[in-house]
Amino acid sequence: DGGITQSPKYLFRKEGQNVTLSCEQNLNHDAMYWYRQDPGQGLRLIYYSQIVNDFQKGDIAEGYSVSREKKESFPLTVTSAQKNPTAFYLCASSDRGRFYEQYFGPGTRLTVT
Amino acid sequence: RKEVEQDPGPFNVPEGATVAFNCTYSNSASQSFFWYRQDCRKEPKLLMSVYSSGNEDGRFTAQLNRASQYISLLIRDSKLSDSATYLCARSNTGKLIFGQGTTLQVKP
Repeated sequence: DGGITQSPKYLFRKEGQNVTLSCEQNLNHDAMYWYRQDPGQGLRLIYYSQIVNDFQKGDIAEGYSVSREKKESFPLTVTSAQKNPTAFYLCASSDRGRFYEQYFGPGTRLTVT
Repeated sequence: RKEVEQDPGPFNVPEGATVAFNCTYSNSASQSFFWYRQDCRKEPKLLMSVYSSGNEDGRFTAQLNRASQYISLLIRDSKLSDSATYLCARSNTGKLIFGQGTTLQVKP
């Protein structure tokens, strides 16, 4: 089955710890994205990558880091510098030939206490 | 003005009703637009893509008005299962800009 997987579904961490969220896709999509969603809010773009070994900051990149070493994988690290890390994190991918229709993974709910 | 604006609702409608949501955008250069459906605590799922004036898929119709810079979603014969949040998005140089979503509650 083709799709996007994110793990884990729920993640709990103590304040001050870095945490890495996994995102893998087998859709052969070039572009991948990370979003954050807070309760009652829309999606805010954290980072995106349109090609391997290249990525750009989105609207709220501070306190986050990414890497894109493989086409299939785009992990997101939430660092201790992120002031309000508790949120629902969504990964998406798109085929640039389809006007950037994006398809989402199931998300990771991160709770930091 | 936000880049993509939606009335958050909620829109409460009876089963079988026709309901329409509007989504306004501020960048006239946008080429493509999307409607996503998001169920509570789940990921958004692509509902419709709009590249020209509109698109129709069964009970769902999306209309794009470039002159007035809005895109609408019409749902006919609402079902209980249509209850969800509907997000609109516009393309912007390889990224999507999302609205905050409109919540629909379909009542028996």
